[in-house]
Amino acid sequence: GQQLNQSPQSMFIQEGEDVSMNCTSSSIFNTWLWYKQDPGEGPVLLIALYKAGELTSNGRLTAQFGITRKDSFLNISASIPSDVGIYFCAGPHYGGSQGNLIFGKGTKLSVKP
Amino acid sequence: DVKVTQSSRYLVKRTGEKVFLECVQDMDHENMFWYRQDPGLGLRLIYFSYDVKMKEKGDIPEGYSVSREKKERFSLILESASTNQTSMYLCASSVTGPSDYGYTFGSGTRLTVV
Repeated sequence: GQQLNQSPQSMFIQEGEDVSMNCTSSSIFNTWLWYKQDPGEGPVLLIALYKAGELTSNGRLTAQFGITRKDSFLNISASIPSDVGIYFCAGPHYGGSQGNLIFGKGTKLSVKP
Repeated sequence: DVKVTQSSRYLVKRTGEKVFLECVQDMDHENMFWYRQDPGLGLRLIYFSYDVKMKEKGDIPEGYSVSREKKERFSLILESASTNQTSMYLCASSVTGPSDYGYTFGSGTRLTVV
């Protein structure tokens, strides 16, 4: 079935550094969603993208909907310790059950103060 | 704000016990979902429901069942808990139709089966 491949699987960075992660698929998506999961909590929606080429920001976070509609990118600028967590990409899977979301396996971010 | 509440943050149960995980949402969402999350495996869908008394199997339904008697409540049942069901369980809800607006998740229940 459809899969979303996230990379990298994990990142260890210094506070203040910028972060980039991406999500790719062999299938076209019409929506890309990015979630963050704080340690011990449920995922929370950060950014939603609905149009190819769209670039959307939420504070220090910027996400892009790839032109091919098969990928999306998330950047975090000037990382801080509270950015620690797992970042998931997700998109509706119309070939499956009524448009359920499918999720990437996540990028685990660790930030050293 | 949509709120999805899971009844327990942490549970410890014995092998063979019947376990109930409860989830309640307060925004009249039609769709509800149960996932389990394990390191390296991401979020895996166990069961979902689009309406009261309706349920559909997800990717890993074996060993689980669900109940949706009221719109706001979706329960996950482990008929006979086993150690390989030790995991983080996440409940989510969403509005009807395609999932373009995403899901709202609860805070999770970390279940340990001993």
